[in-house]
Amino acid sequence: GESVGLHLPTLSVQEGDNSIINCAYSNSASDYFIWYKQESGKGPQFIIDIRSNMDKRQGQRVTVLLNKTVKHLSLQIAATQPGDSAVYFCAETYTGGFKTIFGAGTRLFVKA
Amino acid sequence: DTAVSQTPKYLVTQMGNDKSIKCEQNLGHDTMYWYKQDSKKFLKIMFSYNNKELIINETVPNRFSPKSPDKAHLNLHINSLELGDSAVYFCASSYGSNTEAFFGQGTRLTVV
Repeated sequence: GESVGLHLPTLSVQEGDNSIINCAYSNSASDYFIWYKQESGKGPQFIIDIRSNMDKRQGQRVTVLLNKTVKHLSLQIAATQPGDSAVYFCAETYTGGFKTIFGAGTRLFVKA
Repeated sequence: DTAVSQTPKYLVTQMGNDKSIKCEQNLGHDTMYWYKQDSKKFLKIMFSYNNKELIINETVPNRFSPKSPDKAHLNLHINSLELGDSAVYFCASSYGSNTEAFFGQGTRLTVV
């Protein structure tokens, strides 16, 4: 959901460990959810998405889980690498809305 | 070959000036967006266009005027710049309303 002036949450993990980034979304009508990765000085980059008729989707080293009951989304990164260090955003939208709402973002630090 | 390109990458200007940011996408998308990212990394949608038509104007001051001459371009003109306009502005594009968006590299606007 939308953040109102909050500091960016930070997650620090050891290289090789699994990372879990959580997100609460706001709109019950949202039917499409996306995770983006933003590296310093760059624009957000698509990682993985999930539609509301699913509760889990897997990619390469990443898994997204969707719990519509509590409006919660999570991103799991397996065997986290230094290159995974970035800010991660969840985003929600709905069919015909043309309006993607971004969450507050979580900064992931990977310690070598 | 850059998918979504915006110019300039950096823009420093004085209060009261008028400036424009240009955006072009070569992905054949029908929907384009402008987002504003503040110093806390919060990403907020400003405008969305579908097939050159304005769909979303997210309570942005009318000093901000987007213009889409064709489906591949969405420019942003800002009149009477204020200190609070300092931010990173991202252009993005997608197919329709609920698919992944591709983002440009951003334009860092600094108003002094």
